[in-house]
Amino acid sequence: QKEVEQNSGPLSVPEGAIASLNCTYSDRVSQSFFWYRQYSGKSPELIMSIYSNGDKEDGRFTAQLNKASQYVSLLIRDSQPSDSATYLCAFRANNNDMRFGAGTRLTVKP
Amino acid sequence: EAQVTQNPRYLITVTGKKLTVTCSQNMNHEYMSWYRQDPGLGLRQIYYSMNVEVTDKGDVPEGYKVSRKEKRNFPLILESPSPNQTSLYFCASSFSGVDGYTFGSGTRLTVV
Repeated sequence: QKEVEQNSGPLSVPEGAIASLNCTYSDRVSQSFFWYRQYSGKSPELIMSIYSNGDKEDGRFTAQLNKASQYVSLLIRDSQPSDSATYLCAFRANNNDMRFGAGTRLTVKP
Repeated sequence: EAQVTQNPRYLITVTGKKLTVTCSQNMNHEYMSWYRQDPGLGLRQIYYSMNVEVTDKGDVPEGYKVSRKEKRNFPLILESPSPNQTSLYFCASSFSGVDGYTFGSGTRLTVV
């Protein structure tokens, strides 16, 4: 079983819609969870960190964490074409090492 | 400006010729790490460091060396590069073991 599982996509949504990205992880003791955005040929950029169960909102982005289900998600409201990128889910493992999923490619169509 | 700086951005080299990719951060971060990214395989960790003189292997350490003699620098050394090390390499750093990483701009390495 992979440590971090993401739907590879591609996920396509129309401009203005809500994009929903999902991730499951295998490490039950991890306390730190992250979402990164990566444009083609660029480095990953941290867009959300979440440490507690529940929702965390930052502008158009909402991260949701459910530790009991080992599940973390990212919602992007009012999606824009500039949101088209690959989104990487990650968590800090029990040795503080960072583990990444393979990424979900999102396309927002005008 | 707070950043992670990698050099060079692009490098083409020949099999067996030793090379070093430098990484430096100006944020006083404790943790530093090297990843490689290949199509279909995602980001795979090569080595990471929790502090000066403390390093540990990641998922794919074979063929690579690192050192952490100073807090700000974490160079990646390929003693004898081979074509299967052709990849996009990222250095990253974080303040602590619970924070997210800040990534450098990447080094695209081609070994022929």
